[in-house]
Amino acid sequence: GAGVSQSPSNKVTEKGKDVELRCDPISGHTALYWYRQRLGQGLEFLIYFQGNSAPDKSGLPSDRFSAERTGESVSTLTIQRTQQEDSAVYLCASSLAGSTYNSPLHFGNGTRLTVT
Amino acid sequence: SQQGEEDPQALSIQEGENATMNCSYKTSINNLQWYRQNSGRGLVHLILIRSNEREKHSGRLRVTLDTSKKSSSLLITASRAADTASYFCATLNRNTGNQFYFGTGTSLTVIP
Repeated sequence: GAGVSQSPSNKVTEKGKDVELRCDPISGHTALYWYRQRLGQGLEFLIYFQGNSAPDKSGLPSDRFSAERTGESVSTLTIQRTQQEDSAVYLCASSLAGSTYNSPLHFGNGTRLTVT
Repeated sequence: SQQGEEDPQALSIQEGENATMNCSYKTSINNLQWYRQNSGRGLVHLILIRSNEREKHSGRLRVTLDTSKKSSSLLITASRAADTASYFCATLNRNTGNQFYFGTGTSLTVIP
């Protein structure tokens, strides 16, 4: 594919359920980022992967949030025991960055999560 | 927080006018980037300016960077209705990792 793909595009879940959000980055992009965007607000950094490793997990809001990346490709963001405050758009971005810090981020269209 | 802040939060102009948005940040940076977000979509990269650059142009976009004031501005000339979107600045500080920190955004409305 030409761009970053995220699925599902929309997810409605009941409070307390677990959800998995998927990101397929652009092929060859070594860096992958997850951000959270609440309605009408800016982007909140969650986690960053370089290859399959996550050197920075500082943005994860709580231990209910986890993420993994395999094959230096697909990444999954998992939210356990969802709460209403988890409702937001979750954006994934990938980049060639690694040794090249001047590469831009390429974003997917996000997953809109609604916790009822 | 390293997050930048854009101002104004919202801007409404007539088509053909110029739009100026400002971004302030808190730490030293390696580069600063501007992104655009249409409603319900992901962000699209517009322009990148390195810390050793002061001004950069791309089509109708002009970006300035003042590292002494830790601020940047984005100028869109001869605006069009299709420029209506939210605009975000993002900063990268290699010393604190490879994460990009985004500002709170400016919502631009261009009235036809």
